[in-house]
Amino acid sequence: GQQVMQIPQYQHVQEGEDFTTYCNSSTTLSNIQWYKQRPGGHPVFLIQLVKSGEVKKQKRLTFQFGEAKKNSSLHITATQTTDVGTYFCAGHQGNLIFGKGTKLSVKP
Amino acid sequence: DTAVSQTPKYLVTQMGNDKSIKCEQNLGHDTMYWYKQDSKKFLKIMFSYNNKELIINETVPNRFSPKSPDKAHLNLHINSLELGDSAVYFCASSLRTDFTGELFFGEGSRLTVL
Repeated sequence: GQQVMQIPQYQHVQEGEDFTTYCNSSTTLSNIQWYKQRPGGHPVFLIQLVKSGEVKKQKRLTFQFGEAKKNSSLHITATQTTDVGTYFCAGHQGNLIFGKGTKLSVKP
Repeated sequence: DTAVSQTPKYLVTQMGNDKSIKCEQNLGHDTMYWYKQDSKKFLKIMFSYNNKELIINETVPNRFSPKSPDKAHLNLHINSLELGDSAVYFCASSLRTDFTGELFFGEGSRLTVL
């Protein structure tokens, strides 16, 4: 069935280090969305990428959509303890398919 | 004001019981969803409704029945609860039907079946 693969499953970093999570799809996506879920919370929308090769920035977060629209990444520069949570990508293939998420923990 | 609200937030019940979770959104969105998040945090869509009509029904047991009395409400009724139904259920809404806009999630309803 339709799948969006996301890696890594877990990432432990020291505060101030960078963090990247990657999403891959075997089929071309119409768009890709990113969500953040804090521990005990609900997913909150971060951004949507639509165009091939698109790059968007939100402060320390950089989002990329691959040229073939089959992969995407989220990069956080100089992580802070407030970045803790699970980051999900969600690819649009007629339906919105969520990746399994990357759980980020940040050690102060 | 909470944009998407779900009740109850926690639900503990015995196997075999029937339970309902209610969801309301005050965003004026036409489309509402139910997602299930299991213990491994995997988010899987269950149902999608557009203006009270079912548009997505993933492979969910027919013990799960969504009901949308109006476009601002989408309730989830579960019959004959099983241990495997334990999960967090999220309601969500979006302005568009075609998944090209953001989803607004409720705070979730944690269901524990004993």
